[in-house]
Amino acid sequence: EAGVTQFPSHSVIEKGQTVTLRCDPISGHDNLYWYRRVMGKEIKFLLHFVKESKQDESGMPNNRFLAERTGGTYSTLKVQPAELEDSGVYFCASSQDGLVVNEQFFGPGTRLTVL
Amino acid sequence: QKEVEQDPGPLSVPEGAIVSLNCTYSNSAFQYFMWYRQYSRKGPELLMYTYSSGNKEDGRFTAQVDKSSKYISLFIRDSQPSDSATYLCAIQGAQKLVFGQGTRLTINP
Repeated sequence: EAGVTQFPSHSVIEKGQTVTLRCDPISGHDNLYWYRRVMGKEIKFLLHFVKESKQDESGMPNNRFLAERTGGTYSTLKVQPAELEDSGVYFCASSQDGLVVNEQFFGPGTRLTVL
Repeated sequence: QKEVEQDPGPLSVPEGAIVSLNCTYSNSAFQYFMWYRQYSRKGPELLMYTYSSGNKEDGRFTAQVDKSSKYISLFIRDSQPSDSATYLCAIQGAQKLVFGQGTRLTINP
């Protein structure tokens, strides 16, 4: 079974540009999460989808970040316009619904560098 | 104050040593405590989890939670070079995970 996949693996852009990250969760997983790790800091939660609905977006840093999950399958995270402090590794995770222990399966991450 | 505190290390030990990794947390409402392992250029993968207080053993790995002191530990016995990775403690808060900073561990042959 394929795991969580993310594209691209690396992205280098200039300040002010737009970048779109994509995540394909494990098939059948209704829960999809975005996390971010800024250099030297812990992995931090950004938001959580259940199917196509945003369940919790309390971790989104500001309105330059837009996440979508059309059709409840893959998700995109757009940063527009990118700032220097947006650099980091963006992880996507997915999990099944209805379980007591929320085992989240992570993708390999997208390393974003904003110059 | 961070919700989960973890010493980032790095920690380097010889092969065969017993490794102790630790975290503290601040919110006493947390019930599920997890340890994730992350190899370089990969995403975190769940190693084991514990519910409430107590111990849980899985092969060479033992997870321990002391809710009275808000302290969680992971012990690795007979450590192997293949155990070299970053170990992250995580607390399940509702649906989201709250991570510690991660401890980079190296096992030297």
